[in-house]
Amino acid sequence: DARVTQTPRHKVTEMGQEVTMRCQPILGHNTVFWYRQTMMQGLELLAYFRNRAPLDDSGMPKDRFSAEMPDATLATLKIQPSEPRDSAVYFCASGLGLRSTNEKLFFGSGTQLSVL
Amino acid sequence: LAKTTQPISMDSYEGQEVNITCSHNNIATNDYITWYQQFPSQGPRFIIQGYKTKVTNEVASLFIPADRKSSTLSLPRVSLSDTAVYYCLVGSLSGSARQLTFGSGTQLTVLP
Repeated sequence: DARVTQTPRHKVTEMGQEVTMRCQPILGHNTVFWYRQTMMQGLELLAYFRNRAPLDDSGMPKDRFSAEMPDATLATLKIQPSEPRDSAVYFCASGLGLRSTNEKLFFGSGTQLSVL
Repeated sequence: LAKTTQPISMDSYEGQEVNITCSHNNIATNDYITWYQQFPSQGPRFIIQGYKTKVTNEVASLFIPADRKSSTLSLPRVSLSDTAVYYCLVGSLSGSARQLTFGSGTQLTVLP
């Protein structure tokens, strides 16, 4: 059963430290999304890739967040330096991207990040 | 950008049919309507998608009127395990990923 894999599942760190979250999209999917979920803001779109190219990262704080896809099997989201307000669950999702009008997203289990 | 409006919460009892309606008054011609389900500590899971009229799968039905300004997710004979947050998502990638932004969702609680 194909699934999106995210690591780590949980991360506790101190303010100012670098945090790296990883995502392995479903094999054959060519779109990757990063979402952040908090109680206050719900699910926020941070970044979107198609064929490994970033197409929309307007949802990310540019001074501290960065998202990359080194290859088709790995997407990373980095926060440097981390701040307590970054505490949230970060989800990665992938999709086939065959048609732009009815994309179906497959989500990973998320990374629960706590910045102390 | 098609904004969606859903009830914040709904309660139901086991065995009942549940209908959750989503309003999307400014839906674009190319937009599809997609519903996701999310359990605590898990990512959202795709339930059903449609463009117009009615779509049915093994989990749910989706009813879309002719004007497409709203849609209704129907869950037949719910069980306790259907307690989750349900998101209505309207949009496409033809313009921007901003159009794949989730709304606030509906917390469905199924009672015994």
